[in-house]
Amino acid sequence: DVKVTQSSRYLVKRTGEKVFLECVQDMDHENMFWYRQDPGLGLRLIYFSYDVKMKEKGDIPEGYSVSREKKERFSLILESASTNQTSMYLCASRSGGASYNSPLHFGNGTRLTVT
Amino acid sequence: AQSVTQLDSQVPVFEEAPVELRCNYSSSVSVYLFWYVQYPNQGLQLLLKYLSGSTLVESINGFEAEFNKSQTSFHLRKPSVHISDTAEYFCAVTLAGYSTLTFGKGTMLLVSP
Repeated sequence: DVKVTQSSRYLVKRTGEKVFLECVQDMDHENMFWYRQDPGLGLRLIYFSYDVKMKEKGDIPEGYSVSREKKERFSLILESASTNQTSMYLCASRSGGASYNSPLHFGNGTRLTVT
Repeated sequence: AQSVTQLDSQVPVFEEAPVELRCNYSSSVSVYLFWYVQYPNQGLQLLLKYLSGSTLVESINGFEAEFNKSQTSFHLRKPSVHISDTAEYFCAVTLAGYSTLTFGKGTMLLVSP
């Protein structure tokens, strides 16, 4: 069965800290995504990656960066955490190629609180 | 760019009643449409999708959605809901040839006894 694992379920960080959110998938998927989920705003795409070392900005990339050194792992980095980055972060993956009609597989999310 | 509108943020309903969750999209080109469901404390999972062919698509747990091109809608329906259907439902759209999904803001379905 498909599995996307996010390393932390809950995370509390201080303003200004550098934060790493990790995501691992075991399906050999080429495409990986980071979304944030906020009440009343739904899911918004932060960054995505088509392949190792490839990355593309989503709709709200400001204040974030990503790293994809291995196919199975996609990291989201908050260079200097701020309180407005308190949110639920969801990682997803999908098979590559002409796969725009393939479903996304989501992790269970990381709830980040920045104080 | 495409956009998705889910008009209802919450839909309260009694168990065994029918329900419709509304979804409208804006695009003048070919689209692919999806409904995802998020149960409490979990990630999203695919409920059903429309790619082409029959405009009525069904899920394994009794939900169905109908693609209506003229009204640019993809409403989700279930004739009789269960308590276990309580969850947040997200409509999503992607354009043919694009690999990113645009999600609506979600509709919380609250089923009470």
